[in-house]
Amino acid sequence: DIQMTQSPSSLSASVGDRVTITCRASQSISRYLNWYQQKPGKAPRLLIYAASSLLSGVPSRFSGSGSGTDFALTISSLQPEDFAAYYCQQSYSAPYTFGQGTKLEIK
Amino acid sequence: QVQLRESGPGLVKPSQTLSLSCTVSGGSISSGGYFWSWIRQHPGKGLEWIGYIYYSGSTYYNPSLKSRVTISVDTSKNQFSLKLTSVTAADTAVYHCARMNGDYSSAFDIWGQGTMVTVSS
Repeated sequence: DIQMTQSPSSLSASVGDRVTITCRASQSISRYLNWYQQKPGKAPRLLIYAASSLLSGVPSRFSGSGSGTDFALTISSLQPEDFAAYYCQQSYSAPYTFGQGTKLEIK
Repeated sequence: QVQLRESGPGLVKPSQTLSLSCTVSGGSISSGGYFWSWIRQHPGKGLEWIGYIYYSGSTYYNPSLKSRVTISVDTSKNQFSLKLTSVTAADTAVYHCARMNGDYSSAFDIWGQGTMVTVSS
């Protein structure tokens, strides 16, 4: 199985801050990396697919980068609704695996 | 737009079989290009992919659960289902159904809200 490791596991930030979450795969996954946002009691929501493609309707303050084994999700200017958990996920090969998550909290 | 909704018992006894269904509305489960998946999330923890089924009936299961999992599809009802046998407390989780979309690099683009299943006597 491909292991996905996110960092940090939690992050405190303020509205307006720029934050970056990283995700590392245990082997090369090309650009088969997706990012999700999850709020308490809700299903995950796809934000970015193929490492850097923004899903329609997702605010442009979200961006993704990387290829191979190292990836990043950046939020350019945090908004109150962005405080949530974020997960990366590889779709390169089954079994499809997720990172352990990053909890983004208000400072 | 396409929506998914899980249904099934919220409480299952140890050693019994967990059975859930996912109803697809707003679109056909027989549309090509999609793989219909089950994903679970243990309380306060991360996400674990269980397996998927194509509308034709072909399946792929996570090897960690393969011996206990069966995913089936009923195209006439626009539903797919999960059976997990010999459950233990470690199977207590929120179970989501989700659509894996080939147009989006096989990402899970649509999710059901999830259903909590507790394994307890």
